[in-house]
Amino acid sequence: GENVEQHPSTLSVQEGDSAVIKCTYSDSASNYFPWYKQELGKRPQLIIDIRSNVGEKKDQRIAVTLNKTAKHFSLHITETQPEDSAVYFCAASIGNQFYFGTGTSLTVIP
Amino acid sequence: SQTIHQWPATLVQPVGSPLSLECTVEGTSNPNLYWYRQAAGRGLQLLFYSVGIGQISSEVPQNLSASRPQDRQFILSSKKLLLSDSGFYLCAWSVDRAQPQHFGDGTRLSIL
Repeated sequence: GENVEQHPSTLSVQEGDSAVIKCTYSDSASNYFPWYKQELGKRPQLIIDIRSNVGEKKDQRIAVTLNKTAKHFSLHITETQPEDSAVYFCAASIGNQFYFGTGTSLTVIP
Repeated sequence: SQTIHQWPATLVQPVGSPLSLECTVEGTSNPNLYWYRQAAGRGLQLLFYSVGIGQISSEVPQNLSASRPQDRQFILSSKKLLLSDSGFYLCAWSVDRAQPQHFGDGTRLSIL
């Protein structure tokens, strides 16, 4: 089955700096890659996603890039704010199944 | 608009007791439904998914089972809970494959 690895597991940045989280996947058949933000004790919420026919997608301060050849995708958050502090999960989807990374705990220091 | 309801929010059960967690979705028809478990500080582990009534796919062999008695109802069950079943259980739905998943608020299950 698919294997998704996510790095780093923890990340601290100063407010206003950028944060980058990287994921790799193993199965080239994966065709959909969502990113979720989970605040403590709450449900994961979709923040951005990308499909395999697109290389980059941006939504305000958040962007995702996908390199199908290398089988990796990354989340970029610019101008970070304290409210960006949370755990972020990447995922890869094949058919009806989703495979999640182990999460990155992001702390934005005011 | 679509909504997903999951209950209970928290549950404390003794080892060996049965379990039933329920999830319902409103505002959509024939959704894909999912059950995940999240251990403390860990990622989401897919337990079961369903693409239709009575259709259940299991990802991980365990003492848990799932059922979909109605189009928008997904139930996670166990006959005898183990200590290792503790965790945060999340239900999710999507309109189809390769579409965003939307999660419920989760059930925090503690086994004593």
